[in-house]
Amino acid sequence: QVQLVESGGGLVKPGGSLRLSCAASGFTFSDYYMSWIRQAPGKGLEWVSYISSSGSTIYYADSVKGRFTISRDNAKNSLYLQMNSLRAEDTAVYYCAREPTRGEFDYWGQGTLVTVSS
Amino acid sequence: SYVLTQPPSVSVAPGKTARITCGGNNIGSKSVHWYQQKPGQAPVLVIYYDSDRPSGIPERFSGSNSGNTATLTISRVEAGDEADYYCQVWDSSSDVVFGGGTKLTVL
Repeated sequence: QVQLVESGGGLVKPGGSLRLSCAASGFTFSDYYMSWIRQAPGKGLEWVSYISSSGSTIYYADSVKGRFTISRDNAKNSLYLQMNSLRAEDTAVYYCAREPTRGEFDYWGQGTLVTVSS
Repeated sequence: SYVLTQPPSVSVAPGKTARITCGGNNIGSKSVHWYQQKPGQAPVLVIYYDSDRPSGIPERFSGSNSGNTATLTISRVEAGDEADYYCQVWDSSSDVVFGGGTKLTVL
């Protein structure tokens, strides 16, 4: 069965960095687009970043452009999100999600909480 | 940027039909996906490409999309359907866009 398991969240000070990971299993990871989506406490869903199956095409939301970097290692069935220059408004649960087609998310991980606070 | 508008809340009695709308400029020309999110859980895809249901999603869930409004319809509502529901599209200029979410309350 498809499984996506995020890790790497935690408490970080403003201006700090964090690297999230998403371990995929139960499907051929290298065949799928992937995205990171976040949800601030008590708020709605916000798409963060996309990476193509090969990693050759990447997109970011304007809110994180220049600060976040998405990457993947198909040999390790893993997706990553390097987050730098973190701000209080980046506080959220971060989900990785599988995209069978662009902009459709059929499986989501359980999420990892990132808290940016001094 | 492209905006999707959902009502903040919808209430329905058990056994009745709930309709959750998602408004957007000419949304009928786009593909709409719907997600259900229960408290403390990750979102679950319940409708994709306007009206298709993933395996495991009850037939009570259906979707439609035309003009400026997409609609998620839940027939014979059950207590277990109480959740937040989000519509979502992919737009060439805005990339992935989510609606603000609708809290479905089963009375």
